[in-house]
Amino acid sequence: AQKITQTQPGMFVQEKEAVTLDCTYDTSDQSYGLFWYKQPSSGEMIFLIYQGSYDEQNATEGRYSLNFQKARKSANLVISASQLGDSAMYFCAMREGSMNTGFQKLVFGTGTRLLVSP
Amino acid sequence: EAQVTQNPRYLITVTGKKLTVTCSQNMNHEYMSWYRQDPGLGLRQIYYSMNVEVTDKGDVPEGYKVSRKEKRNFPLILESPSPNQTSLYFCASSLWGEEQYFGPGTRLTVT
Repeated sequence: AQKITQTQPGMFVQEKEAVTLDCTYDTSDQSYGLFWYKQPSSGEMIFLIYQGSYDEQNATEGRYSLNFQKARKSANLVISASQLGDSAMYFCAMREGSMNTGFQKLVFGTGTRLLVSP
Repeated sequence: EAQVTQNPRYLITVTGKKLTVTCSQNMNHEYMSWYRQDPGLGLRQIYYSMNVEVTDKGDVPEGYKVSRKEKRNFPLILESPSPNQTSLYFCASSLWGEEQYFGPGTRLTVT
């Protein structure tokens, strides 16, 4: 069963607007972590933001915020004030387990390609 | 500079010829992992290691081997590569599993 679902293969947004990239996950673990990564056309994987399952506040990093809705099992990435350089592939990922229980596999979604237009 | 390095960055080889892709990190991280990326499938975990001499299978371990003899190194070994192992490979490391630092990737083509 797919554990990370990204239902938007592609998204378009105009420069300076906000955009939300969807991610839903499936796990029976109480302890898990959720990540978002950016992959520009050059190919490298760039860490954007992390949310732990026990974190009560939504994670934020500059223009990136993670809209974490635990009951709905969603972890959407919100990019505010989009820039041309935000055009890239975006991956949501989940890590089950913890330092205490032992890390399990890290599972990625299939990604969403974001195109920012001028 | 904190980094994960992979070598080679590009490799074209033939079916059955054993190869090793090296991965090294200079951040004293406990956790290291290998992924392959294929179009439409995202990244899939091949193997991971939580510490020296501790490794475990990810989602797609068939046809691959790993070893973790030193904390900094985590080589990926393809004993008998096949064309379906043509892919983009990433090595990653992290201290406790939060932020994972990725290497630059190795593009492998098996003919």
